[in-house]
Amino acid sequence: GAGVSQSPRYKVAKRGQDVALRCDPISGHVSLFWYQQALGQGPEFLTYFQNEAQLDKSGLPSDRFFAERPEGSVSTLKIQRTQQEDSAVYLCASSLATSGGNQPQHFGDGTRLSIL
Amino acid sequence: LAKTTQPISMDSYEGQEVNITCSHNNIATNDYITWYQQFPSQGPRFIIQGYKTKVTNEVASLFIPADRKSSTLSLPRVSLSDTAVYYCLVGDTAGGFKTIFGAGTRLFVKA
Repeated sequence: GAGVSQSPRYKVAKRGQDVALRCDPISGHVSLFWYQQALGQGPEFLTYFQNEAQLDKSGLPSDRFFAERPEGSVSTLKIQRTQQEDSAVYLCASSLATSGGNQPQHFGDGTRLSIL
Repeated sequence: LAKTTQPISMDSYEGQEVNITCSHNNIATNDYITWYQQFPSQGPRFIIQGYKTKVTNEVASLFIPADRKSSTLSLPRVSLSDTAVYYCLVGDTAGGFKTIFGAGTRLFVKA
C-alpha cells in the first residue's frame, strides 16, 4: 500500500519475554520515527532514523529498548525482558525529507502491545 | 524545546465552526507550526502546517499572529466525524529530531 504499515497490529506477551515490532515506511522516505503512546496521552518520541543511521535515540526509556533500520527502509523496534509498564501503542512515522520537527510525518496505525 | 499549551477538551455541534488555539511562547525563528488529527485506534494524521499569517487547505485554516506565540486551527462546519484529538506541534530546530506532541485537544462534536 501507499501508507506506513506496522505489524503486528496487536501483540500480547508475558512479562519477561522479548518482542519485535515492525514498521514499513512509505517507499523513498528518508526519515523514520518511533513513538510510544500510553492510553489517553499524546505520542512520546522514542527514536529517529535518517536512512539507516539512528541519529536520535534520546527517547528510548531504557537499554531494554533497541531499534534498527539496517537497509534504510524497514525498521524494527525490539523490547527485551518486557515489563508491564511497556504496555502501550507503538507508532511508526516516516517523512520524505531529513529535517526533524518541521517535516509533516505520515503515521502507521500502530502496534498495541499488552504485557501480562 | 518549544512547548505547546492547548485546551484539554472542547465541545461543539454539527455545522459549527470550531477554533482551537495553541500557545507556543518559546517558538524559535525557524520553527513551523504543525497540526495533527488522531482518531481512536489510528495514528495521527497531518492536517496543516504554517509559518506565519494564514494558511488554508481543503480541511482547515491555520491563523498565526505576527508574534507567532500562538496559533489557531479553524475547522469550518464540523461534522460528527471530526470528533478526534487534535495536536499542535512546533518544530524543534535545536539540532535534534525530537517531535513533542503534548496531550492534545479532545474535540467532541454533537448532533
